[in-house]
Amino acid sequence: SAVISQKPSRDICQRGTSLTIQCQVDSQVTMMFWYRQQPGQSLTLIATANQGSEATYESGFVIDKFPISRPNLTFSTLTVSNMSPEDSSIYLCSASTDREAFFGQGTRLTVV
Amino acid sequence: KQEVTQIPAALSVPEGENLVLNCSFTDSAIYNLQWFRQDPGKGLTSLLLIQSSQREQTSGRLNASLDKSSGRSTLYIAASQPGDSATYLCAPLGKLIFGTGTLLAVQP
Repeated sequence: SAVISQKPSRDICQRGTSLTIQCQVDSQVTMMFWYRQQPGQSLTLIATANQGSEATYESGFVIDKFPISRPNLTFSTLTVSNMSPEDSSIYLCSASTDREAFFGQGTRLTVV
Repeated sequence: KQEVTQIPAALSVPEGENLVLNCSFTDSAIYNLQWFRQDPGKGLTSLLLIQSSQREQTSGRLNASLDKSSGRSTLYIAASQPGDSATYLCAPLGKLIFGTGTLLAVQP
């Protein structure tokens, strides 16, 4: 199995600023994903992080707002740009092999 | 596009009951299916992984089945305990799309 470290675990940010969340996997994985989970809701897929190329975004999410990098097979970052209170949420990183998926503990973001 | 539906959305049972959670998905071109639980404010914990060639998988009081051709999976929890209270999520593996989950409360 793989272990995912996600940082920071929580943050409180001022509106208009940006926050970069890091996701490090301790072994090589095939796919990496980023999710948003708003209070009381299930996980919504933001994008699939592709190694060495632009991420694939789901409907309703755009690169300018959520730029994603994946420079290698074990590391990815998600930036939440120009934040507003509506961006307050939990952001989760996931990684999968051909067999199974693993999750980080999430980043609880509060925008004030 | 994969869509995942879980029924029921919420379930409250007395301790000791056996229960079944249902998951259906629209795209059967998956390679595996995973069941997770999520405790409030926490990340996801993997419960069971069913490979596409399997029909069921067991771990302790949990048993999950998979009917890939009909796009369905069930999670059976035997002799439920208050510690089982959580949200249960299923995810067909390929692109990880989640449904709304089942919020389970087991009353002591």
